[in-house]
This record gives sequence, structure tokens and C-alpha cells, in this order.
Amino acid sequence: GAGVSQSPRYKVAKRGQDVALRCDPISGHVSLFWYQQALGQGPEFLTYFQNEAQLDKSGLPSDRFFAERPEGSVSTLKIQRTQQEDSAVYLCASSLGGQLNTEAFFGQGTRLTVV
Amino acid sequence: GENVEQHPSTLSVQEGDSAVIKCTYSDSASNYFPWYKQELGKGPQLIIDIRSNVGEKKDQRIAVTLNKTAKHFSLHITETQPEDSAVYFCAASKAGRRALTFGSGTRLQVQP
Repeated sequence: GAGVSQSPRYKVAKRGQDVALRCDPISGHVSLFWYQQALGQGPEFLTYFQNEAQLDKSGLPSDRFFAERPEGSVSTLKIQRTQQEDSAVYLCASSLGGQLNTEAFFGQGTRLTVV
Repeated sequence: GENVEQHPSTLSVQEGDSAVIKCTYSDSASNYFPWYKQELGKGPQLIIDIRSNVGEKKDQRIAVTLNKTAKHFSLHITETQPEDSAVYFCAASKAGRRALTFGSGTRLQVQP
């Protein structure tokens, strides 16, 4: 497929469990973003990669959240010791450019439910 | 940081009517303003964007206007169709920071 792919689509975690969410960006896209979308709200920025470099992680809500993109392609968002307030849809987006703001293509998201 | 406010939160129109959604932003350094459409269970999809050096942009039935002085921008959809029903988000970002700040969304319902 040509779009941004995220897996899993749905994840149920028990409180305290660690989770890992995967994002496959569009091939060749330099920029990759993670956003968190709570029910009925707009997406909120978590972190941004340009190739393998994490240039902005100002939106990560706590040190339980960690993201990586080791080879500048696939990215993983990891949440340690999940809590109920982590329940949300996690969206990944990629864009071709590295400097100027260009169109960001979003994946379908991973819906995380912490019980 | 940037703050983007969007209204209305819900909007119901009859098929064929026009719909207007408005957003205001707080950071005068913001220079890129995209609009996204999100259908149930899907990720946001870009429908139109505008940069701060342009006052208006049009793409078929969709247009966006930007007033930098007042720091607000609007989405205009003409001749609405039932398939336009979705949640629409405005967003803003500025040079040097790639993160988008989103509004809270407008649920548009087009009645056939």
C-alpha cells in the first residue's frame, strides 16, 4: 500500500503493562510525526523525527513515553507502565519534506484502551 | 505555545447549502494552516492548506481564507453533499517547528 500503515489497529492493555505501537511511513518520506487523539478532541503533537533524528519530543506527556526511528523509516512508540489516561488513538503521520511544512499524510491510528 | 480555537463544534446544513468553519490562532509566527477531514475510524486527511503569504485559496467546492492581521482563517464548503459529513479540523504551525497545533474539531452533518 502507498499510505501510512499503523499496527495494531486496536490494543487493549492492562494498567501497568508496556505497549509498543508501530508506524510504517510512506516510502521516502523524511519526516515522521506521532500524535495522540483523545475521544472527541483534535490530535495533539507528541514527537517528530527527521530521518532517524528525533528533533522535537516536547509533546511527550511523561518519561513513560518513548519513540524511536532507528533506520529513518519504521518508527515505534513505546508506552511503559500504561495508565488509564493513556487511552486514546495514537496517530502517525509522514511527510516528504524535511524543512518546509508540507502535506502530512496520516495513518488510521492505533486505538489504545487501558483497563 | 500556539493555541488554536475552532467553532462551531457542530454544524448541520441541508444538502446544497454552504458551510463555514472558523478558526483563530494565537501565535503571530504561525505561517502554515492546513484543514483536515476525519471520517469515523480513519485518520485525518488533508483537504486544503494555505500559507501566510496568500490570503485565499480555492479547490473546486472548497476554499480557505486567511486574515493574518486578525489571526483567523476559515474553511468554506459550497454545494455541500452528504459525503461531506465528517469531523473537520483546522491546524497551524510555524517555521522552525514542524508540529501542528489542531483545533478541537467541527462535526459537519449534511442532511440529504
